[in-house]
Amino acid sequence: DTEVTQTPKHLVMGMTNKKSLKCEQHMGHRAMYWYKQKAKKPPELMFVYSYEKLSINESVPSRFSPECPNSSLLNLHLHALQPEDSALYLCASSQDGGPGGELFFGEGSRLTVL
Amino acid sequence: AQSVSQHNHHVILSEAASLELGCNYSYGGTVNLFWYVQYPGQHLQLLLKYFSGDPLVKGIKGFEAEFIKSKFSFNLRKPSVQWSDTAEYFCAVNRGYGGATNKLIFGTGTLLAVQP
Repeated sequence: DTEVTQTPKHLVMGMTNKKSLKCEQHMGHRAMYWYKQKAKKPPELMFVYSYEKLSINESVPSRFSPECPNSSLLNLHLHALQPEDSALYLCASSQDGGPGGELFFGEGSRLTVL
Repeated sequence: AQSVSQHNHHVILSEAASLELGCNYSYGGTVNLFWYVQYPGQHLQLLLKYFSGDPLVKGIKGFEAEFIKSKFSFNLRKPSVQWSDTAEYFCAVNRGYGGATNKLIFGTGTLLAVQP
């Protein structure tokens, strides 16, 4: 079992809906990440939070809005998504945001946009 | 831009066969290198990592990888695979200088199927 918990595991939403993905870790890590993984593709970095500040935004469309309320929690707010946004969304954490840290991944939230 | 290539997309082996999965990266500076594994229905897990020192690194479950700087490669090996090694394997790279945010770039992945 992973120590990074993501909810929900599955989400189906319409293009006009507003929903959120949640991620939680209790390892005392200070960096948290959102990755997007399409079928048969590698995970692609979306956002990095380091010490609760957004440090990387990989030119992600504004219909995806991350939030880091505290060092243990990471949310991804979804609004007006497109069907091509359907994917597995992975959350990860690491001890800090430095380059050598191991990333610990959650099991992902599988999103389907109708 | 930094990129990671895994040339074997799908590998099928019989149990006890030896495994070598290729990984090449394009960045010329100092790098940190990782292999992650994703077993069916499970989360991504770290197999092993290289930061510096001995270019031959050993990981969990009998896996090892060798960093060859001149070839920009970090190939994964296991002398004798088991059915339980069936999984998808991702090579990943990030820049190895201090102060940089952990921007981990993944290769395209290799799906390994081990037949009993």
